[in-house]
Amino acid sequence: AQTVTQSQPEMSVQEAETVTLSCTYDTSENNYYLFWYKQPPSRQMILVIRQEAYKQQNATENRFSVNFQKAAKSFSLKISDSQLGDTAMYFCAFMKIQGGSEKLVFGKGTKLTVNP
Amino acid sequence: DSGVTQTPKHLITATGQRVTLRCSPRSGDLSVYWYQQSLDQGLQFLIQYYNGEERAKGNILERFSAQQFPDLHSELNLSSLELGDSALYFCASSAGLAGINQPQHFGDGTRLSIL
Repeated sequence: AQTVTQSQPEMSVQEAETVTLSCTYDTSENNYYLFWYKQPPSRQMILVIRQEAYKQQNATENRFSVNFQKAAKSFSLKISDSQLGDTAMYFCAFMKIQGGSEKLVFGKGTKLTVNP
Repeated sequence: DSGVTQTPKHLITATGQRVTLRCSPRSGDLSVYWYQQSLDQGLQFLIQYYNGEERAKGNILERFSAQQFPDLHSELNLSSLELGDSALYFCASSAGLAGINQPQHFGDGTRLSIL
């Protein structure tokens, strides 16, 4: 079974600075997808960024980028120029490509606070 | 707005009762997923439907059941409720079988409180 570990329960960062959230996962699969979801206080689950395991190039979405290290099974999220609106819980998630289900396996989350 | 609609937003009930949570997926989406978010267990996959058929089951209790109707909306039925069932229940949908180009889009969730 796949597991996802987010080792930082809480983090804080000053507005306009850069912060990196860690995520590691355990799987025997070779091809899979990885995602970061954001859950602000409004509790919506919002997709931030996605990565295909067979693509070596790290995904970027505006101020959000990932550092994907397949051999180390690491998938960290970097937020540049942090904004107050980035305050939220961030969840790392794993999805197998094959196997009869497209379920997401989530980590426990990292609570990020952006301070003015 | 993700386009996934969940009703009700809040539900307060007592132990032993039965409730039904409803989910309308985004227009055209064939897949529906149910997740439970609780303080102790985090976000856990419950069950998945694809075009009316059950596709996968996760950590779903026998007291819980779900179905997807011909119009593709889905309902999650929770019975013999216990205090530990208090949680936020999310529905997500994707166009087909979810993948990198068809991510799951989440509704706003139903907050279930058991008194």
